[in-house]
Amino acid sequence: DTGVSQDPRHKITKRGQNVTFRCDPISEHNRLYWYRQTLGQGPEFLTYFQNEAQLEKSRLLSDRFSAERPKGSFSTLEIQRTEQGDSAMYLCASSFPSGRAPYEQYFGPGTRLTVT
Amino acid sequence: QQQVKQSPQSLIVQKGGISIINCAYENTAFDYFPWYQQFPGKGPALLIAIRPDVSEKKEGRFTISFNKSAKQFSLHIMDSQPGDSATYFCAAMPDTGFQKLVFGTGTRLLVSP
Repeated sequence: DTGVSQDPRHKITKRGQNVTFRCDPISEHNRLYWYRQTLGQGPEFLTYFQNEAQLEKSRLLSDRFSAERPKGSFSTLEIQRTEQGDSAMYLCASSFPSGRAPYEQYFGPGTRLTVT
Repeated sequence: QQQVKQSPQSLIVQKGGISIINCAYENTAFDYFPWYQQFPGKGPALLIAIRPDVSEKKEGRFTISFNKSAKQFSLHIMDSQPGDSATYFCAAMPDTGFQKLVFGTGTRLLVSP
């Protein structure tokens, strides 16, 4: 069990640039979540996939943000035209399907985004 | 609108002491309450969790106490060690709809040697 992995771990970008992050969930997990965490705060939910279907999006996810999970395995989160307010840790989590400890979400190490 | 309130914001405990962190929630639809431990630069790690059908759950030195009528739950760390120094987050998840975790604001624990 290799756990949830995220790439890159750190990203520094200039305001206005586009960035893309990748998340690889635990292989048996069909549910995948994206959260955002700012300094000194708890993670905040962004979006949720069950297999390849994106089932829920937070109001935090403006139209500059898009997430995909094309084959129900890895997921990508893209931020277009980055703003300084996008600077945060972007966390990915995954969980088992319904019926197998579905509540337990396991987090990856996160991608730290800094927008200059 | 903060749905899970966590206190204290920071906590200093001597080695061997008991660390206690409290959380309160408002949404009665919540029915899963995990605690996460996070070290600097790392993602949150699931520590222990409880459902409302029990009032207490213990795993090693970590215990969750749950009071459904008061809508409160707490984490107790017995025999606290310097390696426990981290930020702890409580969270809650509703029993209906999709499974979004709602987190508290975190407690920074420092265990002094």
